[in-house]
Amino acid sequence: EDQVTQSPEALRLQEGESSSLNCSYTVSGLRGLFWYRQDPGKGPEFLFTLYSAGEEKEKERLKATLTKKESFLHITAPKPEDSATYLCAVQAGETSGSRLTFGEGTQLTVNP
Amino acid sequence: NAGVTQTPKFQVLKTGQSMTLQCAQDMNHNSMYWYRQDPGMGLRLIYYSASEGTTDKGEVPNGYNVSRLNKREFSLRLESAAPSQTSVYFCASSWTGGNIQYFGAGTRLSVL
Repeated sequence: EDQVTQSPEALRLQEGESSSLNCSYTVSGLRGLFWYRQDPGKGPEFLFTLYSAGEEKEKERLKATLTKKESFLHITAPKPEDSATYLCAVQAGETSGSRLTFGEGTQLTVNP
Repeated sequence: NAGVTQTPKFQVLKTGQSMTLQCAQDMNHNSMYWYRQDPGMGLRLIYYSASEGTTDKGEVPNGYNVSRLNKREFSLRLESAAPSQTSVYFCASSWTGGNIQYFGAGTRLSVL
């Protein structure tokens, strides 16, 4: 059974204080790891897909990295508008089609 | 460009009542999904449709039925609502095997 664990559950940062969110996964045959952002009262919004260990992707203040067991979402000099819940998901196996297994998310608050 | 549209946005039901949640996408995607999101549980897949004319059970299908009406529309039906079905329901769509899922804004359902 595919498992995704995110830590911490919640993170409070001061504006400009860089940090990282962790996503640990256990899957049989990783096909892709996804990061989504979710604002209160809204649906998840796609950020990144990573396919193989060593891969990195960046978007503004966010940088996602992938190893064989975990992924990190690094947030550099965050701003209050980066406050959201960040979700990690994996797609695995040959028979699962496009099915995703999600972690519980990390709720990020950035104070001005 | 509407993307994925869900109706209604909010609904309150009494135990035993039935209702259908509607989802439509205008991105010409082949695959569509229904998730529920509960505090501390993350997003869990209820049912999905890999292509028009096919549907499959996800992680938590009990108490639900689905209909893939055409390529654009995928509905979720609760035949006899129970308090345990109080949740936020999200519809998503993607290209077949195309990994990235695009989400609607959600339906917030309370069953009393």
